Amino acid sequence: QKEVEQDPGPLSVPEGAIVSLNCTYSNSAFQYFMWYRQYSRKGPELLMYTYSSGNKEDGRFTAQVDKSSKYISLFIRDSQPSDSATYLCAMTGSARQLTFGSGTQLTVLP
Amino acid sequence: EPEVTQTPSHQVTQMGQEVILRCVPISNHLYFYWYRQILGQKVEFLVSFYNNEISEKSEIFDDQFSVERPDGSNFTLKIRSTKLEDSAMYFCASSEGLGQWETQYFGPGTRLLVL
Repeated sequence: QKEVEQDPGPLSVPEGAIVSLNCTYSNSAFQYFMWYRQYSRKGPELLMYTYSSGNKEDGRFTAQVDKSSKYISLFIRDSQPSDSATYLCAMTGSARQLTFGSGTQLTVLP
Repeated sequence: EPEVTQTPSHQVTQMGQEVILRCVPISNHLYFYWYRQILGQKVEFLVSFYNNEISEKSEIFDDQFSVERPDGSNFTLKIRSTKLEDSAMYFCASSEGLGQWETQYFGPGTRLLVL
């Protein structure tokens, strides 16, 4: 079983749609959960992070963590063409090394 | 806004050659990292570095790899004898080094192609 699984997509939505991106994981030791955005030919850029279970909202973005189900989500409301990118979930426990999902490629069509 | 920079952006080398990838972390950061991403695959952790020594390393980071902080600003990854399978995007990252968890800021990457 892979440590972190993420649907690679690609995912294509119309502008204004709500986008849901998800990851599942198997390692119970993970307690910090992150979403990174990666534009083509650029490095990953941190969007949001959550510690343990719960929700966190930042503008149009909401991150959810359900540790009991080992499931994390990122919701994007009112999606914009500028949101088109690859979204990577990442997580870590007590160590600093990040374990990434494979990334979901999102295209928001004008 | 401070950012992590990496040079070169692209490097092509012959199998068996040594390569050095360079990074300038954000100036007040104390923790440095290297990750790699083989085309079409996940971003994978290689190594973390703190206080002039390796803090953690993955199974990928074998004796062919080494890291160094040669001066107060640069952080380098050396691959001694490159293999075809070393072809990947290599990302450097840095973080403040003050807490148990903190944001890791990534550079734009160096695309390494081994022929």
